[in-house]
Amino acid sequence: QSALTQPASVSGSLGQSITISCTGTSSDVGSYHLVSWYQQHPGKVPKLMIYEGSKRPSGVSNRFSGSKSGNTASLTISGLQAEDEADYYCCSYVGSNIFWVFGGGSKLTVL
Amino acid sequence: EVQLVESGGGLVQSGGSLRLSCAASGFTFSTYGMNWVRQAPGKGLEWVSYISSISSIINYADSVKGRFTISRDNAKNSLYLQMNSLRDEDTAVYYCARDQFYGLDVWGQGTTVTVSS
Repeated sequence: QSALTQPASVSGSLGQSITISCTGTSSDVGSYHLVSWYQQHPGKVPKLMIYEGSKRPSGVSNRFSGSKSGNTASLTISGLQAEDEADYYCCSYVGSNIFWVFGGGSKLTVL
Repeated sequence: EVQLVESGGGLVQSGGSLRLSCAASGFTFSTYGMNWVRQAPGKGLEWVSYISSISSIINYADSVKGRFTISRDNAKNSLYLQMNSLRDEDTAVYYCARDQFYGLDVWGQGTTVTVSS
C-alpha cells in the first residue's frame, strides 16, 4: 500500500486561505469516506482536525474544512493565522487488511 | 482526562527485540480499537498496526508484518507492541492512538526507539 500523495510544502499569507490536496487511488480515498486530517506542530503530538472527509471534532476551529472529489481529498484553511504553521497529514481507511494509510505530509508556512 | 502513555522505548541493536506498552486512562479502553503509528526522524507518519477492541481483528503494515506483534490486555487497560528482528529503519517515535473508526482521535506522547547497527 503506497502512501497518499501530498505537496511537500504550501504557504500563504496571514488572513489568506490555502488548500492542501491529498491524492490516493480508487482503493483508498476513492472508495471510502473515511479520510481524516492531522495537524502536527514541531515536537508535538498529531491532532485530529477533520474526519469523515469534512467533519470537525469539537474544539477545532471552523476555519478548517475538508472535502473530497474522486480519489482526491482536500483540506482548506481560511483566515490563516500564525499558529496554523505546522505539518498536515491526510489519512485514509484502506480496507480490512491494511486499515490506514497516511499521506507524506505537507509543511504549511504562514508568511 | 482521556490519556495514553507509552513506555518501553530505548536503544537496541539491529536484530534485537523491544516491547512497547501503552497505558490508557480516562475512557473505557475495552470498547475501542487501538493503533500504533510511528514517525522516523524528520519523516512523516506511518501507520504500523491495528487491534480491535476484543483482539478479533489485527492488521499490520507490510513493513513490519512477521516481525511485530500487537496485543492488548483490557483488564489492565494496556496496549502492547512486541518488536522483533529490529532494523535501522524501525528507528522512530512510536505513538499509540485510539481508533474512533472515522479517525485516530487520541494520541499518546510517544516513545522513542533507536536501532543501531
